[in-house]
Amino acid sequence: DAGVTQSPTHLIKTRGQQVTLRCSPKSGHDTVSWYQQALGQGPQFIFQYYEEEERQRGNFPDRFSGHQFPNYSSELNVNALLLGDSALYLCASSSRQIGETQYFGPGTRLLVL
Amino acid sequence: QKEVEQDPGPLSVPEGAIVSLNCTYSNSAFQYFMWYRQYSRKGPELLMYTYSSGNKEDGRFTAQVDKSSKYISLFIRDSQPSDSATYLCAMSVLRGNNRLAFGKGNQVVVIP
Repeated sequence: DAGVTQSPTHLIKTRGQQVTLRCSPKSGHDTVSWYQQALGQGPQFIFQYYEEEERQRGNFPDRFSGHQFPNYSSELNVNALLLGDSALYLCASSSRQIGETQYFGPGTRLLVL
Repeated sequence: QKEVEQDPGPLSVPEGAIVSLNCTYSNSAFQYFMWYRQYSRKGPELLMYTYSSGNKEDGRFTAQVDKSSKYISLFIRDSQPSDSATYLCAMSVLRGNNRLAFGKGNQVVVIP
């Protein structure tokens, strides 16, 4: 049973560029949440997708946007990258029916130069 | 005041010792409490998941929740070098699909 997968594992971008990160949820899960984890900090909630719609959003600017596809996979897009966007981006999946907690992927490490 | 406070100070213990970690929180609406373990450069791995106040035991791990004091704890008995990791507390208002609020994490090093 494949867990949550994310791609790419690492990414280097320069300020002002745009980036797209991808996530495939655990088999049987239909809800995807994205978190940003800066070095030495706990993960911060960005937003959550269910039924291809954004359902909840944390305190992140509109530069952060997302999408969920019919197969439940998801993308996180960040526009106009800032140095402060350098972080580990984590995807977590869960099942709305079962209602258990979220399971995390390995993350994508983004470095903005 | 942050929603979840976790003293991030690194903790070094000898193998076999009991590790004690804790978090406090300010949002009284939190009902679901979790502990995640995160190895360096990896995603968080769920260790314990509890609802409301009380204790839960799973092998060498015990989670305690005291909602009246807004305080949660994790105890690791007979610690092993493989327990060396960062431990994150997390909590949510609703079950499962609600946003998780995390503490900063505690780095634990178990010395052989």
